[in-house]
Amino acid sequence: QQQVKQSPQSLIVQKGGISIINCAYENTAFDYFPWYQQFPGKGPALLIAIRPDVSEKKEGRFTISFNKSAKQFSLHIMDSQPGDSATYFCAALIHSGGGNKLTFGTGTQLKVEL
Amino acid sequence: DAGVTQSPTHLIKTRGQQVTLRCSPKSGHDTVSWYQQALGQGPQFIFQYYEEEERQRGNFPDRFSGHQFPNYSSELNVNALLLGDSALYLCASSWGTGNNQPQHFGDGTRLSIL
Repeated sequence: QQQVKQSPQSLIVQKGGISIINCAYENTAFDYFPWYQQFPGKGPALLIAIRPDVSEKKEGRFTISFNKSAKQFSLHIMDSQPGDSATYFCAALIHSGGGNKLTFGTGTQLKVEL
Repeated sequence: DAGVTQSPTHLIKTRGQQVTLRCSPKSGHDTVSWYQQALGQGPQFIFQYYEEEERQRGNFPDRFSGHQFPNYSSELNVNALLLGDSALYLCASSWGTGNNQPQHFGDGTRLSIL
């Protein structure tokens, strides 16, 4: 119940195309859903995040779509650029015992080709 | 505005040794969480510190322990190192443990066990 399932494992997109990464969860106690971007040798960097009472959030070229009833959410990268080539992780936050913790998906390696 | 800083960046130890990793949170943050990221995997939650107390703990053995200091910085200690402890150890900081508080990550400490 604590898992977050992420797909695809890897993705190749042409420059200017749309990259789509999907995640699904089971535990309805998750209440905050961030996406992170990670480059080799670096830590994950927060990209965008959404609460479960919102169906869509857009920041620049990045959009999260959230389907609470299906327990699924996705990241859309519009006008994908070679500089977007990185590993992307979805995550879900749960609160308990006076603290909270993030559960991460397994990651998607995105390559944007010229 | 300094982000999350971790030291050292790389560390090599042998089986059975003990190691201490350090983290300074982002300015204005008072909560520190530690994650282990194996190669090609998503980060796994180890524990979280707030107000100098461990607030949440993931599925890690007691060999993993931590501490938070009055200035909000934190240490992760691992005893009796095993080969399987080789990983990138990430520190994340946030403001409080309430809802919708994003966690910001440092670039990690790469620990190699020989």
